[in-house]
Amino acid sequence: NAGVTQTPKFQVLKTGQSMTLQCAQDMNHEYMSWYRQDPGMGLRLIHYSVGAGITDQGEVPNGYNVSRSTTEDFPLRLLSAAPSQTSVYFCASSYSWDRGFYEQYFGPGTRLTVT
Amino acid sequence: DQQVKQNSPSLSVQEGRISILNCDYTNSMFDYFLWYKKYPAEGPTFLISISSIKDKNEDGRFTVFLNKSAKHLSLHIVPSQPGDSAVYFCAASLAFGNEKLTFGTGTRLTIIP
Repeated sequence: NAGVTQTPKFQVLKTGQSMTLQCAQDMNHEYMSWYRQDPGMGLRLIHYSVGAGITDQGEVPNGYNVSRSTTEDFPLRLLSAAPSQTSVYFCASSYSWDRGFYEQYFGPGTRLTVT
Repeated sequence: DQQVKQNSPSLSVQEGRISILNCDYTNSMFDYFLWYKKYPAEGPTFLISISSIKDKNEDGRFTVFLNKSAKHLSLHIVPSQPGDSAVYFCAASLAFGNEKLTFGTGTRLTIIP
């Protein structure tokens, strides 16, 4: 049971390039999400999904796209990278019950630098 | 506007003593609160949570206290151990099981041997 995995661990992009951060979980969790962590700002929610085929925006969605075609995978796409997107990105997942979702399990993070 | 605040960026505590980490929030609609612990180069890991219908929740050495009238929660670690050295984030949601979490900025706890 690998939990939540993220690839790559590190990435350097030039301004304007696009890329996809990968996230996968093997716990059959319905809920998945993406956060970014910046110095002095805690974690901020980018996008989330409550199940395959369903996604929604979080607090800071601009410049990012997501899709959820399977329960296991939740990739985050940067359409045209900007220096302001330099950050550490965390993917998380949790299982649900009839009243909502339990605490989230986080992946190890992807450190992205945009030059 | 930071709805969840951790006003102490860092805290140092002697091994064996009590560590108290504080968190304040401004949104009175927050209903469920969590603490996460984060080591360098790793993702946050869930530590303990509390619902607004309670004022205390314990799990081993960790206890979370909630004061709804003051919009304040605290995490107590007793006794503190060197492995507790990490960054601690508090987080809040509008309802138990709500999928959106609002995080504080974190407090770096250092346990001095």
